[in-house]
Amino acid sequence: KAGVTQTPRYLIKTRGQQVTLSCSPISGHRSVSWYQQTPGQGLQFLFEYFSETQRNKGNFPGRFSGRQFSNSRSEMNVSTLELGDSALYLCASGLGDTDTQYFGPGTRLTVL
Amino acid sequence: GENVEQHPSTLSVQEGDSAVIKCTYSDSASNYFPWYKQELGKGPQLIIDIRSNVGEKKDQRIAVTLNKTAKHFSLHITETQPEDSAVYFCAAWGGGFKTIFGAGTRLFVKA
Repeated sequence: KAGVTQTPRYLIKTRGQQVTLSCSPISGHRSVSWYQQTPGQGLQFLFEYFSETQRNKGNFPGRFSGRQFSNSRSEMNVSTLELGDSALYLCASGLGDTDTQYFGPGTRLTVL
Repeated sequence: GENVEQHPSTLSVQEGDSAVIKCTYSDSASNYFPWYKQELGKGPQLIIDIRSNVGEKKDQRIAVTLNKTAKHFSLHITETQPEDSAVYFCAAWGGGFKTIFGAGTRLFVKA
């Protein structure tokens, strides 16, 4: 079975721009969670989606948003990028009725 | 709020020795505790997990123990090998469809 895939793998943007990241979960998985990983803050939970519904959201500003499509693929969007948004963005998928999650390789976002 | 503390932040052992990483969680509702290994340039990989109705679980050289009363859980790696060198994260899931991660332990295994 193919693992979680994330595109793009690397992205460079400038302050004020917006960005969209994509995540394709493992086949059959209906839950997708997003995390931000930085050296100083570790792995921080952004949001979780199941069957196109956001079930929980972390403590991030409204500039961070996400959505999930009917095929369980998910996207997250960051608007008005700030330097501090530079991070590795990870998504993880799961069946949704259990708590086990499997991570993708991440998208490395650099904001200049 | 929910919190997971992880110690030590860095651990250096000699090949063949054992390594132990300890975590403490704050949310009494937590009932699932996964451990992840992250290598450079990769996403975290699930290596073992334990549920609150189990006190210990073992998978070859890796074992995890859970003390619900003290809200402690630990990862034990025996007979360490250079390929065990990575960053290890503990985590706690307590419902709310949200996993809280520890800050990570960088493990160095010296050949």
